[in-house]
Amino acid sequence: KAGVTQTPRYLIKTRGQQVTLSCSPISGHRSVSWYQQTPGQGLQFLFEYFSETQRNKGNFPGRFSGRQFSNSRSEMNVSTLELGDSALYLCASRDKGQKFSEAFFGQGTRLTVV
Amino acid sequence: AQSVTQPDIHITVSEGASLELRCNYSYGATPYLFWYVQSPGQGLQLLLKYFSGDTLVQGIKGFEAEFKRSQSSFNLRKPSVHWSDAAEYFCAVGAGYGNKLVFGAGTILRVKS
Repeated sequence: KAGVTQTPRYLIKTRGQQVTLSCSPISGHRSVSWYQQTPGQGLQFLFEYFSETQRNKGNFPGRFSGRQFSNSRSEMNVSTLELGDSALYLCASRDKGQKFSEAFFGQGTRLTVV
Repeated sequence: AQSVTQPDIHITVSEGASLELRCNYSYGATPYLFWYVQSPGQGLQLLLKYFSGDTLVQGIKGFEAEFKRSQSSFNLRKPSVHWSDAAEYFCAVGAGYGNKLVFGAGTILRVKS
């Protein structure tokens, strides 16, 4: 069974641009969560989608958005990029969305904003 | 609000020595607790989890953790560390609605030969 796939692995963007990151969960998994990892703030929860609905959202500005498609693949978008958005963005998938079942993480997308 | 504290930012142990990584959590209800490991440039891998029942849980790679409600702790242990265990370790608590995880700041483990 393939694991969680995140694309692209690396991105370099210019301040003010927007970016879209993609996450394909493990086959059959319906819950996808996104996390931002930075040296200063650590791992922070962005949002979670389950069956195409956003179920929970972290404390991030509206520039950060996401969506989930009917095949459970998810995208997150960051508009008007700032230097502080440079981070490793991790996606995690779970199966039926049972509360606190095991989350499987992808390898992440390393975003650098210059 | 839920929070997780990992008091040790760095720990260095000799190969073959025992290891204990500390984790304290703050959560009003029954916590769902996890330990993850991350190698440089990689995602997170689950080592073990605690939901209920036996307070001593076994995980992969020879790791175990003990849940102590009275101390709000969930410390990770390994009897004999291998050089390949060098990585960053994160303790997390499941919090709120859905599948949100709140992570500690992480502990970087260095293994010296």
